[in-house]
Amino acid sequence: GQSLEQPSEVTAVEGAIVQINCTYQTSGFYGLSWYQQHDGGAPTFLSYNALDGLEETGRFSSFLSRSDSYGYLLLQELQMKDSASYFCAVGHQAGTALIFGKGTTLSVSS
Amino acid sequence: DAGITQSPRYKITETGRQVTLMCHQTWSHSYMFWYRQDLGHGLRLIYYSAAADITDKGEVPDGYVVSRSKTENFPLTLESATRSQTSVYFCASRATGTALNQPQHFGDGTRLSIL
Repeated sequence: GQSLEQPSEVTAVEGAIVQINCTYQTSGFYGLSWYQQHDGGAPTFLSYNALDGLEETGRFSSFLSRSDSYGYLLLQELQMKDSASYFCAVGHQAGTALIFGKGTTLSVSS
Repeated sequence: DAGITQSPRYKITETGRQVTLMCHQTWSHSYMFWYRQDLGHGLRLIYYSAAADITDKGEVPDGYVVSRSKTENFPLTLESATRSQTSVYFCASRATGTALNQPQHFGDGTRLSIL
């Protein structure tokens, strides 16, 4: 089966940099994804890593180390609107579906 | 407008009742998914479907039934609702292909309360 571990809460101030870690255990690896959810709304896709290294998309970057079964989401130049829950996810059943971690609630203060 | 819609948005019912949550997508995506979200548990996969008439169990399928007679619809039925099924239910869809770099698109959720 699959399991994912991520911190439950992270706090930071505007303009800062924050890193949300995710460790995973999975019988077959099909990549690590990150999703964002505001206030219980529809989760939205942020990034996907299939290979080791850093993927950058604007202020957000995602990193993967397959040998360590570890990844992180890096948020730079934090803004109040980044306050949300962030979920890492891995593939289930040959990558057909996603299994999500329990999520990390990020609170950004001024 | 194209997208994925869930109905109803809110539902209150009683234990033992049958409840069906609807999910409709206009992208003709092959894959559709049902998740439930509870405090402390994140998003948990209930059932998913790779195409019409093909469904598979996820992490927490007990107490739920799904069907997929048409590509665009993926209803979720609680045959005899229990209080433990009080939750927020999200439907999602994804384009064809096993590569997970295809993002899952989520509906706005159905908030279900079982009294």
